[in-house]
Amino acid sequence: DAKTTQPPSMDCAEGRAANLPCNHSTISGNEYVYWYRQIHSQGPQYIIHGLKNNETNEMASLIITEDRKSSTLILPHATLRDTAVYYCIVKGYNFNKFYFGSGTKLNVKP
Amino acid sequence: DADVTQTPRNRITKTGKRIMLECSQTKGHDRMYWYRQDPGLGLQLIYYSFDVKDINKGEISDGYSVSRQAQAKFSLSLESAIPNQTALYFCATSDPTGGGTDTQYFGPGTRLTVL
Repeated sequence: DAKTTQPPSMDCAEGRAANLPCNHSTISGNEYVYWYRQIHSQGPQYIIHGLKNNETNEMASLIITEDRKSSTLILPHATLRDTAVYYCIVKGYNFNKFYFGSGTKLNVKP
Repeated sequence: DADVTQTPRNRITKTGKRIMLECSQTKGHDRMYWYRQDPGLGLQLIYYSFDVKDINKGEISDGYSVSRQAQAKFSLSLESAIPNQTALYFCATSDPTGGGTDTQYFGPGTRLTVL
């Protein structure tokens, strides 16, 4: 599985959009990009995933560049409850492991 | 995710004791996983199971064993607990789709302290 690179921390004002970047320059054609978040010490929570097209659900949007070497998770209107560690993971179907790395600590401030 | 439950939620034990952590799921998924998380770090895979008869070691299986009692139940045992096994333990399940995705869903975690 390809590894990912994320900034260790980011700040965002409450009500504003939070844009979390992820670099996955070694991604291969059959690997999906997944995003999870972990609030305090709770179990990681699935947010969204995509292969090459942009995706949107009730929680967030995922923008994947055309060359698929990077992506951005967008939380359109961040709230204090969105403060968490966000993990970008690249995983192929035939591999069993989600490599979580260290993630990005998003601090949403009033 | 309420569909994946873990017991106990917190456990304090002593070095050398045998400990079992249990995971149950109502999602009907065939695949189940055990992870550990050390403070400030990401998750590391201990064991995984693709069905009742399939058990595989992850990257840090030494000192651990597992049992898949049924599709819905996957237990993790520490045969002789040691202090550096103090960590958060998470169970997860997944159900791969024909489209090639394999989203994992996590339980609330068990905080284990070995004195």
